[in-house]
Amino acid sequence: QVQLVQSGAEVKKPGASVKVSCKASGYTFTSYDINWVRQATGQGLEWMGWMNPNSGNTGYAQKFQGRVTMTRNTSISTAYMELSSLRSEDTAVYYCAIVYPPVALGYWGQGTLVTVSS
Amino acid sequence: QSALTQPASVSGSPGQSITISCTGTSSDVGGYNYVSWYQQHPGKAPKLMIYDVSNRPSGVSNRFSGSKSGNTASLTISGLQAEDEADYYCSSYTSSSTLRVFGTGTKVTVL
Repeated sequence: QVQLVQSGAEVKKPGASVKVSCKASGYTFTSYDINWVRQATGQGLEWMGWMNPNSGNTGYAQKFQGRVTMTRNTSISTAYMELSSLRSEDTAVYYCAIVYPPVALGYWGQGTLVTVSS
Repeated sequence: QSALTQPASVSGSPGQSITISCTGTSSDVGGYNYVSWYQQHPGKAPKLMIYDVSNRPSGVSNRFSGSKSGNTASLTISGLQAEDEADYYCSSYTSSSTLRVFGTGTKVTVL
């Protein structure tokens, strides 16, 4: 069965960077795009961007341009999302999800809480 | 790119039907048949309930149905059950540089 397992919670200081991993299993890693979505406590879902694990091509929401980088390591079926220049407003749960069926986010990771605090 | 507009809350009694609206523009909801709906229970990851406006993934109850008219999509839950109490989010593909946009979210309460 499809599983996306994310790395554990992180606590970072303002200005630092965080890198969240998303390990995929149960399907061919390069077959489906991966999206990253975040959710601040008590708030709605916010789309951050996408990555094609086969080509490595990426696309980011304008809000995160210049601060977010999405990469992958196909040898270990793992995607990464790195967010830099962290500020308190970046405190949120970050999710990875695969685009299947086409255009929809059919499978999600369990989420990774990133707390930004001095 | 602004979030799609959903009512903050909708409630209903067990067995009743409720409908959640999701209003966008011709650049997203109205322009593509790529509206999806997600259910999220507290502390859990979202779960896909409807994709491509009205299709249900395998395993999702047929009590959930989706539709679209113009710039507004809708999710209907029939035969409301206690387990349906959750937050629901719509999402659409968009022609803007932000390829995907989510709705503001709706809290469904089963009375």
